[in-house]
Amino acid sequence: DGGITQSPKYLFRKEGQNVTLSCEQNLNHDAMYWYRQDPGQGLRLIYYSQIVNDFQKGDIAEGYSVSREKKESFPLTVTSAQKNPTAFYLCASRSGTLEQYFGPGTRLTVT
Amino acid sequence: KQEVTQIPAALSVPEGENLVLNCSFTDSAIYNLQWFRQDPGKGLTSLLLIQSSQREQTSGRLNASLDKSSGRSTLYIAASQPGDSATYLCAVVGNTPLVFGKGTRLSVIA
Repeated sequence: DGGITQSPKYLFRKEGQNVTLSCEQNLNHDAMYWYRQDPGQGLRLIYYSQIVNDFQKGDIAEGYSVSREKKESFPLTVTSAQKNPTAFYLCASRSGTLEQYFGPGTRLTVT
Repeated sequence: KQEVTQIPAALSVPEGENLVLNCSFTDSAIYNLQWFRQDPGKGLTSLLLIQSSQREQTSGRLNASLDKSSGRSTLYIAASQPGDSATYLCAVVGNTPLVFGKGTRLSVIA
């Protein structure tokens, strides 16, 4: 069953702690993406990777970090430097200019 | 810089009505255009991908059209049902990561 998995679905952290969100795909896609979605706002691109061991900053990369050691995996770390980390985080992947697919999302709450 | 606009931001229709959602983009140099659906608290589900060489694409009760020269795409939903209630987003596919509109929130009233 091909697709994108994100874990966990809900995540709660205390302010000042780093937290890592998981994203795994078995679609054999080269490119992977991380987005943030806030209520009433559109999707905002955090980081993306078009190939293993390479990634680029998106529009709102400050306070986030990523790695791409395997084609299937693109974890996102939300660091304590991110001022407003509470949000819904979505991972996506695609091959070339074909359809982009999204995971189910992780809702992060930081108190 | 590519900008994508979706109008209206919200739409409420009675069940059974045919409806059209609009998407416009500023740079016609695109490869494809993709329509998505998002239910509250969920990820985005791909509905249709229109390649730049195509003018329309159909899937069930959905029909999407693309006019690159005018920078417009429409998503036509026939015989709307309450289960169609969701937010619909369009995204332009180019050399860069997808550029998304902010979506149209659709409510279909039974």
